[in-house]
Amino acid sequence: AQTVTQSQPEMSVQEAETVTLSCTYDTSESDYYLFWYKQPPSRQMILVIRQEAYKQQNATENRFSVNFQKAAKSFSLKISDSQLGDAAMYFCAYRRGNEKLTFGTGTRLTIIP
Amino acid sequence: GAGVSQSPSNKVTEKGKDVELRCDPISGHTALYWYRQRLGQGLEFLIYFQGNSAPDKSGLPSDRFSAERTGESVSTLTIQRTQQEDSAVYLCASSSSASYNSPLHFGNGTRLTVT
Repeated sequence: AQTVTQSQPEMSVQEAETVTLSCTYDTSESDYYLFWYKQPPSRQMILVIRQEAYKQQNATENRFSVNFQKAAKSFSLKISDSQLGDAAMYFCAYRRGNEKLTFGTGTRLTIIP
Repeated sequence: GAGVSQSPSNKVTEKGKDVELRCDPISGHTALYWYRQRLGQGLEFLIYFQGNSAPDKSGLPSDRFSAERTGESVSTLTIQRTQQEDSAVYLCASSSSASYNSPLHFGNGTRLTVT
């Protein structure tokens, strides 16, 4: 079974600085998708960014980018120019084909003004 | 358009009672998921419906839990003889299976409290 591991239960960063959230996963497959979701206090899960495993280029969405290391099965999220609105739980997730989406345990990100 | 709608948003029930949680997915979305999220924890997969395929029930924690979905519409998660450990937020999500990289659209969840 696929597993997703987020080894940082909590992280904090100064406003306007850069922070990297770690995620590793375990799979024997070669074609799959990886996602980062954000869950603010409102409880609403929001897609932040996604990466296709067969693409070598790292995905980028404005201030959010990933460092995808397929051989190492690592998928970290970098948030640049952190803003107060970035404070949330961040979940890494894995999906292959039409199978279920598997989430990590999450990292709580605090932004320090 | 309308997003994923879940009802009720909050439910308080006594231990031993049955509860039904409802999810209205986005119209046209063939995939529907239920997840459980205990306070301060991650998302625990419960069940996954994909079109007309047999649902993936591998995450249901016990036979007290069941879920149904009629076609590509509403889903109901039922918990029988609720226990205090069932207290959690139950999240529903849907996605289009036109492409398997399509993101999940989540509802705001139902917060279940078993007293």
